[in-house]
Amino acid sequence: EAQVTQNPRYLITVTGKKLTVTCSQNMNHEYMSWYRQDPGLGLRQIYYSMNVEVTDKGDVPEGYKVSRKEKRNFPLILESPSPNQTSLYFCASSQTSGRGEQYFGPGTRLTVT
Amino acid sequence: AQSVTQPDIHITVSEGASLELRCNYSYGATPYLFWYVQSPGQGLQLLLKYFSGDTLVQGIKGFEAEFKRSQSSFNLRKPSVHWSDAAEYFCAVASTGNQFYFGTGTSLTVIP
Repeated sequence: EAQVTQNPRYLITVTGKKLTVTCSQNMNHEYMSWYRQDPGLGLRQIYYSMNVEVTDKGDVPEGYKVSRKEKRNFPLILESPSPNQTSLYFCASSQTSGRGEQYFGPGTRLTVT
Repeated sequence: AQSVTQPDIHITVSEGASLELRCNYSYGATPYLFWYVQSPGQGLQLLLKYFSGDTLVQGIKGFEAEFKRSQSSFNLRKPSVHWSDAAEYFCAVASTGNQFYFGTGTSLTVIP
């Protein structure tokens, strides 16, 4: 089944404790992206990647890191999480670019205390 | 800078009634426009997209949208709403640089 998977689905952590949210797609897509969703703000793009070793900042990249060492994986790293990073995070992938249909993962709900 | 505005935070319609969700965008070049739907507790699913050509585009689940360049709008419509259409709807625009911008969403409630 074609899908985007994220792990973990739920995470509660404390301020400053490094964490990684994994994202994997099995559709051989070139483009992958991370978004955060907050009430009243919709979804905002954090980082995106056009291909292996190619990443770019989205609208709200501060406090986040990403890497794209393999085509299928695009982990989101929070080196020192803060409470304002409490949010619902979505990973997405698209066959060629951000202009194509994006397939979204189920989301990761992160709480930073 | 690119932006997307969805002026209606929440809309309530009766089942069987028609629906129009508004979307206005700000983008210098020809926009790539999308409507996504998010059901409660779910990820997002593409309803339809506009790149070029016919300004009236058809999507899944009986939805359609019309691109009006003069009004910078891309409104979503459905002639007869079903209870299962209750969800959050997001309009979005993709830039030439492959960045993606979502609106703040419109929550749809359907009354039986």
